[in-house]
Amino acid sequence: QQPVQSPQAVILREGEDAVINCSSSKALYSVHWYRQKHGEAPVFLMILLKGGEQKGHEKISASFNEKKQQSSLYLTASQLSYSGTYFCGTRWVDPNFGNEKLTFGTGTRLTIIP
Amino acid sequence: NAGVTQTPKFRILKIGQSMTLQCTQDMNHNYMYWYRQDPGMGLKLIYYSVGAGITDKGEVPNGYNVSRSTTEDFPLRLELAAPSQTSVYFCASSPSGEWTAETSPLHFGNGTRLTVT
Repeated sequence: QQPVQSPQAVILREGEDAVINCSSSKALYSVHWYRQKHGEAPVFLMILLKGGEQKGHEKISASFNEKKQQSSLYLTASQLSYSGTYFCGTRWVDPNFGNEKLTFGTGTRLTIIP
Repeated sequence: NAGVTQTPKFRILKIGQSMTLQCTQDMNHNYMYWYRQDPGMGLKLIYYSVGAGITDKGEVPNGYNVSRSTTEDFPLRLELAAPSQTSVYFCASSPSGEWTAETSPLHFGNGTRLTVT
């Protein structure tokens, strides 16, 4: 049920690009992306909706392919402040309860070095 | 704005003890959630609530109980603490289930770090 993220960890030099992938076995209504700094709470980055609508945040953008039940997060020209663990969260409807749940992936640890 | 407030920030319990993790939000959000995060792992949903008086189980509800008597508060109860419950617990809220970018993001509290020994 938990979405699968890849890679699990990545190390970049400042200015390099990275792609983080998130896939789910369930039909999705939307995909969230969050970033968590060490010892802090996750912070919302963006949400992607059905229809493949892409939402951007600074130099971070993402895509959502609802047919493939996949989302990708694109970090371009990475900055030191981008370091942290990135989580995708997938919203799906619980058939037993009729309400949507938000389930998170296991995370991708991103380290940016000068 | 306070947002989502969790107390306590840290707690050490002995095996078999009980405690309640408090969570309150002042944004009038309908949905509230409890997640646990084990070291180096992702967030696992424990329980969630879609409004006062309505709660449901998440992925890992065993050993926990919740109640939602008001819109603002969503306490998490551990009845018989076990070492497997050592974790960081996050409470979160969101306005509703509407699918708009402006209303769906989760707002997290700062977490409660719980150690059971």
